[in-house]
Amino acid sequence: NAGVIQTPRHKVTGKGQEATLWCEPISGHSAVFWYRQTIVQGLEFLTYFRNQAPIDDSGMPKERFSAQMPNQSHSTLKIQSTQPQDSAVYLCASSLDLLENTLYFGAGTRLSVL
Amino acid sequence: QQKVQQSPESLSVPEGGMASLNCTSSDRNFQYFWWYRQHSGEGPKALMSIFSDGDKKEGRFTAHLNKASLHVSLHIRDSQPSDSALYFCAASLNSGTYQRFGTGTKLQVVP
Repeated sequence: NAGVIQTPRHKVTGKGQEATLWCEPISGHSAVFWYRQTIVQGLEFLTYFRNQAPIDDSGMPKERFSAQMPNQSHSTLKIQSTQPQDSAVYLCASSLDLLENTLYFGAGTRLSVL
Repeated sequence: QQKVQQSPESLSVPEGGMASLNCTSSDRNFQYFWWYRQHSGEGPKALMSIFSDGDKKEGRFTAHLNKASLHVSLHIRDSQPSDSALYFCAASLNSGTYQRFGTGTKLQVVP
């Protein structure tokens, strides 16, 4: 079991460019979560899916962020027109979505917007 | 806004000593709690969950939950240099919702 896989590990974009981040959850896990981590804000929830369906996107900046889960083996987080304040480590996690809803995190994608 | 606060922000303990980390939630509706730790360059990894009042022990780690006071703690006995990491408390309203993470405690275990 390779755990949650996130690609790329590092991404550098220019201001105004688009960034797409990929996540492959652990096989058999039915819930996928996206979080953002910065020094100032800490770990912030963005959105999550259960059985590929979007359940809660209350943490997502509405205008430029979108997330999809087209199949059970991967999810994407897309940021359009990236801004310097989007610079952060974006973390994907999956869980079995049972009572013991422990999150298994990937290593994250460090996004740097210049 | 529902928040999870942790204290202290940073903590230094000698190797072999006891580390005690604290977490307080702002909402009595939080029912489920976890402790995670994160080493530099990695994602957070779960240490343990606690859902009922009282103590839960897993190896050198003991969590304590008191829902009435909205307080959960983590105690690490016989601390090792490999325990040096960022520790997060997380809480959720129920088992099917997302987890809200605390502000984190940076633990340093000094050889």
